[in-house]
Amino acid sequence: AQSVAQPEDQVNVAEGNPLTVKCTYSVSGNPYLFWYVQYPNRGLQFLLKYITGDNLVKGSYGFEAEFNKSQTSFHLKKPSALVSDSALYFCAVRETGGFKTIFGAGTRLFVKA
Amino acid sequence: SQTIHQWPATLVQPVGSPLSLECTVEGTSNPNLYWYRQAAGRGLQLLFYSVGIGQISSEVPQNLSASRPQDRQFILSSKKLLLSDSGFYLCAWSVIGGRKRLGELFFGEGSRLTVL
Repeated sequence: AQSVAQPEDQVNVAEGNPLTVKCTYSVSGNPYLFWYVQYPNRGLQFLLKYITGDNLVKGSYGFEAEFNKSQTSFHLKKPSALVSDSALYFCAVRETGGFKTIFGAGTRLFVKA
Repeated sequence: SQTIHQWPATLVQPVGSPLSLECTVEGTSNPNLYWYRQAAGRGLQLLFYSVGIGQISSEVPQNLSASRPQDRQFILSSKKLLLSDSGFYLCAWSVIGGRKRLGELFFGEGSRLTVL
């Protein structure tokens, strides 16, 4: 069965500093990995994904994520955080060829000015 | 372009009353459709998914049911609501096939249900 772990409930970072939001996963076979962002009382928005190819993927709003197969991780990163990045971030996984996308518990990112 | 609509946006219902949440997608055909529930502003729980009209897969045995009467319509229902059914319900769709948006989910704005 697929599963996703986001070990941090909240990440605090100062504006302008780099940020990392952690994610590890478990899946049979090759994974599709995703990051989504949610603003209060809104639906989720897609940020980026890893399907195959380069381990470093770039997405919307300057975010990137690195796929590490040996560590089964897919951490979200951004070189310089903005106050407007403050939101709830979800990591998600889908098995190759599958229909179900399973989400982590979410990590709340707080960027202080 | 594709859009997804969910309604109602907010719903307050007494325990034991019925429920119907509706989701429609425009601008695409034969999408995969999903219902998720988010409790207390945190993790998403997959409730149902559908790969075609009349085809529903249930992930969690519970008080809810789903139906897909038309290609781009997905309905979440309950005959008798429980307190534990309160939450934020999100509908989503994904494309079938193609590489560019493979696996991506596109979410509606959600329906907040409070059961009293």
